[in-house]
Amino acid sequence: DADVTQTPRNRITKTGKRIMLECSQTKGHDRMYWYRQDPGLGLRLIYYSFDVKDINKGEISDGYSVSRQAQAKFSLSLESAIPNQTALYFCATGVGHEDTQYFGPGTRLTVL
Amino acid sequence: DQQVKQNSPSLSVQEGRISILNCDYTNSMFDYFLWYKKYPAEGPTFLISISSIKDKNEDGRFTVFLNKSAKHLSLHIVPSQPGDSAVYFCAASARVDNFNKFYFGSGTKLNVKP
Repeated sequence: DADVTQTPRNRITKTGKRIMLECSQTKGHDRMYWYRQDPGLGLRLIYYSFDVKDINKGEISDGYSVSRQAQAKFSLSLESAIPNQTALYFCATGVGHEDTQYFGPGTRLTVL
Repeated sequence: DQQVKQNSPSLSVQEGRISILNCDYTNSMFDYFLWYKKYPAEGPTFLISISSIKDKNEDGRFTVFLNKSAKHLSLHIVPSQPGDSAVYFCAASARVDNFNKFYFGSGTKLNVKP
């Protein structure tokens, strides 16, 4: 079984709809992250969480919110999706000083 | 403005030859660098890393070189194998408030031809 799972893997939605992307991990890591990837750009950090009570904004948090329901679960929400949020979204976990990150398989989101 | 750049979107090499993937960065505060490998429909997986106190780190067929004065990072794969065909991302981090914030390059797609 995969250590970091994401659901759904693909989603097509319409402008204005609320969308939730879910991430679960079995690695036991405290730190969890949400990134988005766009063509020609690297992965950009949306939100990160050090533990259930510690959530922080990344470099592109506008239009997104997150919930850390448990150590193993970290959800990303788009309250009112817009077309420029069409992207590939990755969840990741990490631990330790050097913080090597372990990524989920990604969710491809299309907003029409 | 991207702080980590991979200027070659793609690279094609023959099996058995050396693959050299390059990465440039702008922030002199970066002190830890990584390479990730990504296959289609999968998330990036960690490949190799290097701390800024070193200029070389080797792991089997993979070697990462760091030139701090040039703010340049490279990944060498010798010998290249068809299974190495993937997208390679470099990443750099600076430690801020007990957190290593990572910046990723846009990736280089490596194709190793049999």
